Amino acid sequence: EAQVTQNPRYLITVTGKKLTVTCSQNMNHEYMSWYRQDPGLGLRQIYYSMNVEVTDKGDVPEGYKVSRKEKRNFPLILESPSPNQTSLYFCASSLSLVRLAASEQYFGPGTRLTVT
Amino acid sequence: GIQVEQSPPDLILQEGANSTLRCNFSDSVNNLQWFHQNPWGQLINLFYIPSGTKQNGRLSATTVATERYSLLYISSSQTTDSGVYFCAVEGGLTGGENKLTFGTGTQLKVEL
Repeated sequence: EAQVTQNPRYLITVTGKKLTVTCSQNMNHEYMSWYRQDPGLGLRQIYYSMNVEVTDKGDVPEGYKVSRKEKRNFPLILESPSPNQTSLYFCASSLSLVRLAASEQYFGPGTRLTVT
Repeated sequence: GIQVEQSPPDLILQEGANSTLRCNFSDSVNNLQWFHQNPWGQLINLFYIPSGTKQNGRLSATTVATERYSLLYISSSQTTDSGVYFCAVEGGLTGGENKLTFGTGTQLKVEL
């Protein structure tokens, strides 16, 4: 089954304790991205990757890191989480997101993170 | 960047009623998708529709790219249709590439 998976689905942690949220897709997609969803603010992009070893900042990258060592995986790293990073996080992928070849994005199930 | 506006922000329907949700965007787009976010928070792809009309069961969508809007039609609504409906676009001549820009959504509640 074609899908985007995220782990963990729920996480409660404390300020400053490093954490990683994994994202994996099995569709051989080039493009992957992370979004966060907050009440009243909608979904905002954190980072994206056009291909392996190619990553770039989205609208709200502060406090986050990513890596793309393999095509299928795109982990989101919070080196020192703070309470303002409490949010619902989504990973997404698509075959391509180049202007002339834009394609449908598929979203993972979401990770609900609480930082106390 | 590209602006996306959805209307109405909230909608309450009686089961069996029909409705139309609207998405306006401020620039040309290469990608437009409609999503349903269920009560558990999951985003479910409804349509990939940068232009034209598509139908899937009781749902259909139309995008008129030249006039910069898209419509999502829900017919014979059911309680399971409740949730938030998002329109998201990518592209535009003024930036906004490489990401989807989401509207603020329409919160739909279908009552018995």
